[in-house]
Amino acid sequence: KAGVTQTPRYLIKTRGQQVTLSCSPISGHRSVSWYQQTPGQGLQFLFEYFSETQRNKGNFPGRFSGRQFSNSRSEMNVSTLELGDSALYLCASSLAAGGGADTQYFGPGTRLTVL
Amino acid sequence: AQSVTQLGSHVSVSEGALVLLRCNYSSSVPPYLFWYVQYPNQGLQLLLKYTSAATLVKGINGFEAEFKKSETSFHLTKPSAHMSDAAEYFCAVIEGSGGYNKLIFGAGTRLAVHP
Repeated sequence: KAGVTQTPRYLIKTRGQQVTLSCSPISGHRSVSWYQQTPGQGLQFLFEYFSETQRNKGNFPGRFSGRQFSNSRSEMNVSTLELGDSALYLCASSLAAGGGADTQYFGPGTRLTVL
Repeated sequence: AQSVTQLGSHVSVSEGALVLLRCNYSSSVPPYLFWYVQYPNQGLQLLLKYTSAATLVKGINGFEAEFKKSETSFHLTKPSAHMSDAAEYFCAVIEGSGGYNKLIFGAGTRLAVHP
């Protein structure tokens, strides 16, 4: 079974631009979560989607948004990019909507650099 | 809010030596705890998870962790380090009720293995 895939793997943008990242979960997985990883702040939860609905959201500004499609694929969008948005963005999928014991499987990430 | 503390941002061991990576959690209810490993330029890979079924949890690649409620700890160990174990390790706890999938990560411990 194929793992979580994320596209693109690398992106370079300039301040003020917007960017869209894509995540395809493991087949059959209905929950997709997004995380931001930076050297200063570590791994931080952005949001989670299940059945096309945002179920949980982290403490990020409204410039960060996401959505999920009927096939469980998810996209996240960052508008008006700032230098501090440079990070590795990780997507994780799981079988169900959570419950604690549900394992999240991570993709390889998208490395975003904002110049 | 739940939190995770990893003691030691860098740990260095000799090949064949014991690996001990420390993790303490704060939680008012029995938590779900995870250890993930990240190799350079890759996403996170699940090593093991604690879901209250057993206090000693065995994972992949010879790693195991013991849940100690009295010490609020979930330390990761491996009897004999291998060069391929060099990576960054993250302890994480599930936050939230209602089946949400928000992982709260520790700051990470970078493990170096030298000959």
